[in-house]
Amino acid sequence: VQLLQSGGGLVQTGGSLRLSCAVSGFTFSSDDMTWVRQAPGKGLEWVSSITPGGTTTLYADSVKGRFTISRDDSENTLYLQLSILRAEDTALYYCAKKCASSWCHDSWGQGTQVTVSS
Amino acid sequence: EIVLSQSPATLSLSPGERVTLSCRASQSVGRALAWYQQKSGRAPRLLIYEASNRATGVPARFSGSGSGADFTLTISSLEPEDFAVYYCQQCASWPLTFGGGTKVEIK
Repeated sequence: VQLLQSGGGLVQTGGSLRLSCAVSGFTFSSDDMTWVRQAPGKGLEWVSSITPGGTTTLYADSVKGRFTISRDDSENTLYLQLSILRAEDTALYYCAKKCASSWCHDSWGQGTQVTVSS
Repeated sequence: EIVLSQSPATLSLSPGERVTLSCRASQSVGRALAWYQQKSGRAPRLLIYEASNRATGVPARFSGSGSGADFTLTISSLEPEDFAVYYCQQCASWPLTFGGGTKVEIK
């Protein structure tokens, strides 16, 4: 199982960015996926999750209306579109695969840094 | 939202010692709790799921217990590679939430 992240970078307050997570080694189209972030020196924060086929998407209140999770099952890729970015969105963002039996996460990407600057 | 409180925030220990980490939920999560290990600059690694099941490849010195609102992660004998931050996560309800973490450092 591999989750390879890309995207991220430095963006101004109010700007937008798209994160990608290309997966291999499992049947992506059948699996729920999640984004988790970690602000500098802080703990882990759940951001968003998506079910197979994109049927259901869920968001933390802190990002609802600004971030959009999506998936392309033909490309085995998970996305997170970040918009109307704020300084407090500065964090290392991880994609993660849901466990088979519960909403834990058994495989993680390497993380990609998003820095929002004024 | 279910709040998870981890204690202590930091533990200073020596290799070979037994470690007990606590995670307390603001309401019952049944057995829907996971534990992760995170080393500096690395992604989290799943250790325990459903309160007491070891993830694939996790050494037997790691064990989880508890149900309802009180959970424990135990490391029977600390190895040098176990010095890290440990997080619990509840999987019972949305939003998913993590505890603030316990740092296990070398004494």
